[in-house]
Parts: sequence; structure tokens; C-alpha cells
Amino acid sequence: EAQVTQNPRYLITVTGKKLTVTCSQNMNHEYMSWYRQDPGLGLRQIYYSMNVEVTDKGDVPEGYKVSRKEKRNFPLILESPSPNQTSLYFCASTPTGTDTQYFGPGTRLTVL
Amino acid sequence: GENVEQHPSTLSVQEGDSAVIKCTYSDSASNYFPWYKQELGKGPQLIIDIRSNVGEKKDQRIAVTLNKTAKHFSLHITETQPEDSAVYFCAASPPGGTASKLTFGTGTRLQVTL
Repeated sequence: EAQVTQNPRYLITVTGKKLTVTCSQNMNHEYMSWYRQDPGLGLRQIYYSMNVEVTDKGDVPEGYKVSRKEKRNFPLILESPSPNQTSLYFCASTPTGTDTQYFGPGTRLTVL
Repeated sequence: GENVEQHPSTLSVQEGDSAVIKCTYSDSASNYFPWYKQELGKGPQLIIDIRSNVGEKKDQRIAVTLNKTAKHFSLHITETQPEDSAVYFCAASPPGGTASKLTFGTGTRLQVTL
């Protein structure tokens, strides 16, 4: 089944403890992106990647890192999480030549 | 950068009635306008999109209209059903960067009551 998967789906952590949210797609899509969703703010792009080893900042990249070593994986790294990064995170992928973004199921992160 | 405003933030309609959600954008160069539906506990899913060379597009009960001069676009849902209840997001993207520079609106929670 074609899909975007994220892990974990739920995470409660403490300030300063490094964490990684994984994202994987099995559709051979070149483009991948991370968003955060907050009440009243909609979806805001954190980082995106046009292909392996090609990444760029979105609208709210501060406090986040990403890597794209393989086409299928695009992990989101929080080196030192803070409470203002408590949010719902979505990974998305897009096949080359189209504009449709396929979203994962989301990761709800709480930073205490 | 692009700024997309979406109204209303919540909308309640009775089953069978129509629902309209409106969005405005700031960048006159934007030329791609998708609408995503997010059901409870799931990621957003594309339901319809429109490009700037088209004024209206329809797919069964949903339609999108675009007014380039006024820089606004709208989602119309006719004969609403309970399964239409969800959060809807509009978005806009500039030419040449559709997949990488999608700016979303703040969302509209639609509730269809029986």
C-alpha cells in the first residue's frame, strides 16, 4: 500500500532531550516536506527536500534539523526541544511532475 | 512571502445545505491553489485544486472558483453530508515552486449537522 509513515505517533518528552521523528514513504517520491500544525495557525512548513542530499528551510525552521540520506526517509531532528515546539507534526511527499502532497498520519509531540 | 487568509474559522451547516469557504492570497504571482481536507486524527488530503489559467473547477459536489483580480478563491460544497465534516485548508503556491512553497491558510472546521 502506497503511504507515508511517521514514528512515533505520540511523544511526550522533556526540554532539552534530543529526539528524532522519522518519516518514510514507499512511493519513490523525490520531494518531501515537514509541517507543524498549531491551533489558529494552520500548517506551516519547517523544512523541505527536493531530492537526496538536497534540503532547504521552510517558513519556521528554527530549532529543527533534517537530513535526506535516502530517497524514502526524511527524519526531523529536534536537538534541544523546547515547550514552544509542542505541536502536531506532519510529513508529506510529492511525486515529481505533480503538485499533490501526500501527508502522513501526524506525530503529536509534547515538550514539558 | 505569500500570506493566505481563510474564513470562516468554523462553519456549521445542516445536512443538504451548501457550504462556502473563502481564502485570499497576497502574492499576485501565485498560480496554484489546492484545497485539502483533514479528517479527525488523519493527515490532510487533497480534494480539489485550481490553476490561475482557470476560473472554476468542479468535481461532483465540490467546486472551486478563482478571482485573480481580487486575489481570492473559494471552496463550494453542495448537498453537504455528515462525512463532509472535517477541517479544510486552502493553500497557494508561486510558479515554479508548487511542491516546495505551498503556503496554507489557517483552516476552517466544517460541521454538518443532521
